[in-house]
Amino acid sequence: EVQLVESGGGLIQPGGSLRLSCAASGFSVSSNYMSWVRQAPGRGLEWVSIIYSGGGTTYYADSVKGRFTISRDNSKNTLYLQMSSLRADDTAVYFCAKGVGPTSPDYWGQGTLVTVSS
Amino acid sequence: IVMTQTPLSLSVTPGQPASISCKSSQSLLHSDGKTYLYWYLQKPGQSPQLLIYEVSSRFSGVPDRFSGSGSGTDFTLKISRVEAEDVGVYYCMQGMYFWTFGQGTKVEIK
Repeated sequence: EVQLVESGGGLIQPGGSLRLSCAASGFSVSSNYMSWVRQAPGRGLEWVSIIYSGGGTTYYADSVKGRFTISRDNSKNTLYLQMSSLRADDTAVYFCAKGVGPTSPDYWGQGTLVTVSS
Repeated sequence: IVMTQTPLSLSVTPGQPASISCKSSQSLLHSDGKTYLYWYLQKPGQSPQLLIYEVSSRFSGVPDRFSGSGSGTDFTLKISRVEAEDVGVYYCMQGMYFWTFGQGTKVEIK
């Protein structure tokens, strides 16, 4: 059974850093296209970043480019999102998601809430 | 690529049909012949779940009352007979150039 469990969210001050984790089971993160998608409170869905299977090519939304870094640890079967220079508009529930290709996610985790506020 | 859904909300009597439209600002037909349009349902308090991939293929376990159609830039999700468990927010998503989601259509039961 595919499972994705996010952790690491919380309250952080503007300008701070946070690392989110997504522990996967039932499949290999290295063999899938792994992504982060966020949802601001009461708002819609926004794609954040993707890491490709195999070689691990990464891409980012313009809104987070240069501030966020996606990575994975194949030995731990875990996906990460390192977030820095956080702003109030980064406040959202962050979902990790897997896909067999780069064109869409097929399974999502339950999300972890990040609140950026002083 | 901008995705525009209509309507933004629907109130449906159980057993009645429902339809949601999604339009993309660019064609979602790839040179490989596939059209990268997807539909997701986010039930209250849950994460999104995949319903339809590549316009019209139902994902594993999705009831056959859900169907997708369309081409190019115009797409439709239809629920033949709405059930209470279908409430939530429906999103269309394009996968041609990274991912962009529609604004969402909230479906509730009358």
